[in-house]
Amino acid sequence: QKEVEQNSGPLSVPEGAIASLNCTYSDRGSQSFFWYRQYSGKSPELIMFIYSNGDKEDGRFTAQLNKASQYVSLLIRDSQPSDSATYLCAIPDSNYQLIWGAGTKLIIKP
Amino acid sequence: KAGVTQTPRYLIKTRGQQVTLSCSPISGHRSVSWYQQTPGQGLQFLFEYFSETQRNKGNFPGRFSGRQFSNSRSEMNVSTLELGDSALYLCASSPPSSGPSTDTQYFGPGTRLTVL
Repeated sequence: QKEVEQNSGPLSVPEGAIASLNCTYSDRGSQSFFWYRQYSGKSPELIMFIYSNGDKEDGRFTAQLNKASQYVSLLIRDSQPSDSATYLCAIPDSNYQLIWGAGTKLIIKP
Repeated sequence: KAGVTQTPRYLIKTRGQQVTLSCSPISGHRSVSWYQQTPGQGLQFLFEYFSETQRNKGNFPGRFSGRQFSNSRSEMNVSTLELGDSALYLCASSPPSSGPSTDTQYFGPGTRLTVL
């Protein structure tokens, strides 16, 4: 049974700082990794996915993948109050499903 | 391209009733997954349909059922509602292409069900 672990938080970060969110996974064979953002009372929305070791950047967001250590991170630069949300990590399994972490609640303090 | 739509957006029922929720995926998407999310909880997988067939099922009682139509629209049904069924029910669709993008799920706005 594949598992995805995230620190539930809340993670409190000052406005303008870098927020770092981490996710570890159990299946060494996992190939792709997804980050979603979910505002309170809303549905999850895709931020980005990564499937190669190293960094992938999209605007203020950077996903970092380390397959050897089995973790994937999401960095948010110049954090804004609008970034306050729960961030979900997800990994596909072999049965066309996504295995979800419980999410990390991020609070950006003005 | 229109996103995933779910109807109704809000629903109030009483214990013992049944409810049917509807989901229309993004045009061209054939896979539809359903999730239950209660306050402070993560996404709990209900089931996934592809081309009118249930491919995967989560660990929920038989009161929860679903189906998919030939146009990929999907419905889920909950019979004999319990107070604990109050939740946000989310539907997500996935594109048909191969590779990492196939696993990407795009969510609808959800249906918030309240059971009194």
